[in-house]
This record gives sequence, C-alpha cells and structure tokens, in this order.
Amino acid sequence: DAGVTQSPTHLIKTRGQQVTLRCSPKSGHDTVSWYQQALGQGPQFIFQYYEEEERQRGNFPDRFSGHQFPNYSSELNVNALLLGDSALYLCASSLGTFYGTQYFGPGTRLLVL
Amino acid sequence: KQEVTQIPAALSVPEGENLVLNCSFTDSAIYNLQWFRQDPGKGLTSLLLIQSSQREQTSGRLNASLDKSSGRSTLYIAASQPGDSATYLCAPDRGSTLGRLYFGRGTQLTVWP
Repeated sequence: DAGVTQSPTHLIKTRGQQVTLRCSPKSGHDTVSWYQQALGQGPQFIFQYYEEEERQRGNFPDRFSGHQFPNYSSELNVNALLLGDSALYLCASSLGTFYGTQYFGPGTRLLVL
Repeated sequence: KQEVTQIPAALSVPEGENLVLNCSFTDSAIYNLQWFRQDPGKGLTSLLLIQSSQREQTSGRLNASLDKSSGRSTLYIAASQPGDSATYLCAPDRGSTLGRLYFGRGTQLTVWP
C-alpha cells in the first residue's frame, strides 16, 4: 500500500518564478492538505482540498493556489516566488472526515535564490 | 487562534532513560491530538492519535495522555534508544474545521549511546 508521495523531492528556483508541487494521497484517502515548514519551525497550514474544492485556507497570500484532481491527487502552485518561500512543503492526506489520522508525505524542499 | 507550545525545546539524554515531552495548547475545543516524529529534512511520521473522548493512547514504548480541560498533552517514551533521536511534534485539531492541524516548534530529542 503506497503511502503519500510528493514530487519533486528538491527544487531550486529564482525570485519571481513560479513553481508547481505535486502530491498523491495514500490509497483510499480523498482529502489533501498542504503545509509549509520553514527551517526550525513547525509546519504551517496552507490549505486543504476535498471533493476538488478548497475547503479551508490558512494565512497565506493568493500567490499560493492549488488544485485537486478527480483521482484525489493535488498540486500546489506558488507564483512570484520570494526568498521567504524557501521551505519544506508537506502534503498530508486523510479520509473525508476529520476523525482520523493524517498521513504526511516526505516533502518537497524548495530553495528560492 | 490555536497556539501550541512544546517544552523542552531540546533534550539530550543517554539511552535507557524514560522521557517526558510536554505539549500545551491554548484552545481546548479540540477534537483530536496527534503526536508526530520528524527526522531531519524528512516528512512527519504519525506516532499516536488521541481522540477527545480518550485520555491516553499507547503504542509500544510510547504513551500519550491528553487533558483537554487544562490544554495539555504529554508523550512518554520508555527506555529511550538512539533510534528515537528526532524532533517530536504535537498537533491538535478542531473537528469543526475539517482536521486542520496546528503545530508548535517541537522538541528536538537526542539519545546518545
């Protein structure tokens, strides 16, 4: 049973560029959440997708956007990259309701130069 | 807004010791609380999930307790081993917001032989 997978594992971009990160949830899961973890900090919630819609959003600017596909996989897009966007981006999946364990992927390390 | 604090921020112990990691949160209206482990530069591995109706959960050498009224959770690690070295994060959620997790900075644990 495949767990949560993310791609790419590492990425280097320059300021002003755009980036797309991808996540495939654990088999049987239909909800995907994205988190940003800066060095030395705990993860911060970006947004959550369920039934192909953004269900809730954390305190992140509109430069951060996402999408969920019919197969429940998800993308995180960040436009106009800033140096401060350098972080580990984590994807978590869960099953529909909020009662169960959330499973995290290995993350994508983004470095903005 | 939910604020999560973990004490101590760092802990370095010889193997074999029994450990106590503390987590406090400001909003007691939570549904679940999860404990995670994170190895350097990696994703999060779920260790234990405590539902609001429960007071504790056990898995092997790990035991986590939850006191919602006081806004506290404690993770006990028995007979620590060098392989337990990692950062430990607690994350409460509010069921009414579809399982969004709130994280503190974690406790960085080093267990030396």
